[in-house]
Amino acid sequence: SAVISQKPSRDICQRGTSLTIQCQVDSQVTMMFWYRQQPGQSLTLIATANQGSEATYESGFVIDKFPISRPNLTFSTLTVSNMSPEDSSIYLCSVDLTSSEQFFGPGTRLTVL
Amino acid sequence: QKEVEQNSGPLSVPEGAIASLNCTYSDRGSQSFFWYRQYSGKSPELIMSIYSNGDKEDGRFTAQLNKASQYVSLLIRDSQPSDSATYLCAGLSNSNSGYALNFGKGTSLLVTP
Repeated sequence: SAVISQKPSRDICQRGTSLTIQCQVDSQVTMMFWYRQQPGQSLTLIATANQGSEATYESGFVIDKFPISRPNLTFSTLTVSNMSPEDSSIYLCSVDLTSSEQFFGPGTRLTVL
Repeated sequence: QKEVEQNSGPLSVPEGAIASLNCTYSDRGSQSFFWYRQYSGKSPELIMSIYSNGDKEDGRFTAQLNKASQYVSLLIRDSQPSDSATYLCAGLSNSNSGYALNFGKGTSLLVTP
């Protein structure tokens, strides 16, 4: 597995503002993923972030709302833009190490007021 | 729609018993399946992966896959109170990103002393 950290671990934000979440891995990985887990729900993939290319977004998610950066093989950021209370969720990054097995970071718990 | 279905539970079993968790999936193209354990307030932890029909054992855990029936299960032998958690089943499917994990909503397991 890998050691994955996320910052911040939690935040409370006002509607209309933006929050950038950081994900750091202790080894170089090709693929990093960003998920959302809404209260009482399962995980939904937002986008895949590959180093050196634009992130690929899943249906229902757009770059203007969730811009992603992937400057190197150990780091990625997800920004939640122009937040509304519906964006209150846990945001998780994950990495794919081998055989499509994904390992998750500790998550960022976001509350939007 | 590529769906992974799980009974939400809670599934209650006494300590020392076998817990049986089940999952069905709709995407016949899915070839790889994963079981994650998620404790309350924590991120998902990978416990088993299975890629071919049949059983795969790892310690107290056995994963079973039946592609003809589109069915995946997880057996936990000698269940312990520390096994009490939500268990998420996930299947790997094609997506905008190339591939993505589709998660079920999870089954809550309670192991009673």
